[in-house]
Amino acid sequence: GNSVTQMEGPVTLSEEAFLTINCTYTATGYPSLFWYVQYPGEGLQLLLKATKADDKGSNKGFEATYRKETTSFHLEKGSVQVSDSAVYFCAPRGKLVFGAGTILRVKS
Amino acid sequence: DADVTQTPRNRITKTGKRIMLECSQTKGHDRMYWYRQDPGLGLRLIYYSFDVKDINKGEISDGYSVSRQAQAKFSLSLESAIPNQTALYFCATSDSLAGGPDTQYFGPGTRLTVL
Repeated sequence: GNSVTQMEGPVTLSEEAFLTINCTYTATGYPSLFWYVQYPGEGLQLLLKATKADDKGSNKGFEATYRKETTSFHLEKGSVQVSDSAVYFCAPRGKLVFGAGTILRVKS
Repeated sequence: DADVTQTPRNRITKTGKRIMLECSQTKGHDRMYWYRQDPGLGLRLIYYSFDVKDINKGEISDGYSVSRQAQAKFSLSLESAIPNQTALYFCATSDSLAGGPDTQYFGPGTRLTVL
């Protein structure tokens, strides 16, 4: 079956700290992988994606590398800001399933 | 103007009432979706539609029905609302590319409370 496992939150960091949010998946084939972000009071929006193994997606200082051998797509950012406080969702393309979401809180 | 709009944005209703949530999109996408979001459970798919004549049940369709009135409109109904349907509801759209639904575009959500 298709499923996504994300690290549980909330994750609380100080501004400029390093961020990692883990995501592993099981899916038929090797689909593209997405990270979506949900800011307070809003719907989800695409943050970044990777279309094949070893591909790296990046946007707004966030990066994630598609690791086929470990079926992982961990989200990273070198220096988080208060404005990054949001809920982050991992999802494989085309499977209509999402991870449970990881709440990130960044303190100034 | 937003590409995907939902009405109402907030609704409080009572057990047993019929409720309709509406979604409209201006992206020209064929595919539309309804999800509900509950704390700790992420998003779960209720129904989806790949074109006007196509309706499919998702993971949690019991207690819900949908209508695809046009390419741009997809409404979700709760025939007889119950308290455990209290949640945040999202509509989404995507293009119809080979390989399955690609990037989904979400509306701002409807917060529904059933008393």
